[in-house]
Amino acid sequence: DTAVSQTPKYLVTQMGNDKSIKCEQNLGHDTMYWYKQDSKKFLKIMFSYNNKELIINETVPNRFSPKSPDKAHLNLHINSLELGDSAVYFCASSQVAYTEAFFGQGTRLTVV
Amino acid sequence: QQPVQSPQAVILREGEDAVINCSSSKALYSVHWYRQKHGEAPVFLMILLKGGEQKGHEKISASFNEKKQQSSLYLTASQLSYSGTYFCGTVYNTDKLIFGTGTRLQVFP
Repeated sequence: DTAVSQTPKYLVTQMGNDKSIKCEQNLGHDTMYWYKQDSKKFLKIMFSYNNKELIINETVPNRFSPKSPDKAHLNLHINSLELGDSAVYFCASSQVAYTEAFFGQGTRLTVV
Repeated sequence: QQPVQSPQAVILREGEDAVINCSSSKALYSVHWYRQKHGEAPVFLMILLKGGEQKGHEKISASFNEKKQQSSLYLTASQLSYSGTYFCGTVYNTDKLIFGTGTRLQVFP
């Protein structure tokens, strides 16, 4: 059983489109994150959710919106995709922020 | 706000040692260490929760100097499997895990 799973693994789309990335964790964790990893390999936090409540909303464009239908899921919706959105997006979860974080396999988004 | 790691890159021969440093301009409440192999997700190595704490994981260990707002990761007698990018991570006074700038480590036979 995969602890944190993301779909899709690869996503190629045109500028201006809207897309979603899904994330599910079966660890019973209370905290979930979205990270963006750019070509320089920096891992930048985008959002943090604790028990379905958005607790930190980073200064990301409001074209990006996290949606959590329940504690086990945190999906990422992106509107009006731009070339600069191309990156690998990782979902992660932890019991609380101070404990081990488990990552999904990542979604490589390419905007053409 | 992002912790800064040094060096940015390290090249080693098998059996050699390396030290990766993580420095913060803000007070650190805890330090995480992760390793990411090429094309894979980051994987947890260890957490240090208290200043002065040291931890070991096989031949990989770390220390946390709370006063200096620094942590160091020590890799002893490196193996090919140690290759990857190492990230420190920290939780400041908010509930979010922020990662450092990363250190790319390559081990050659």
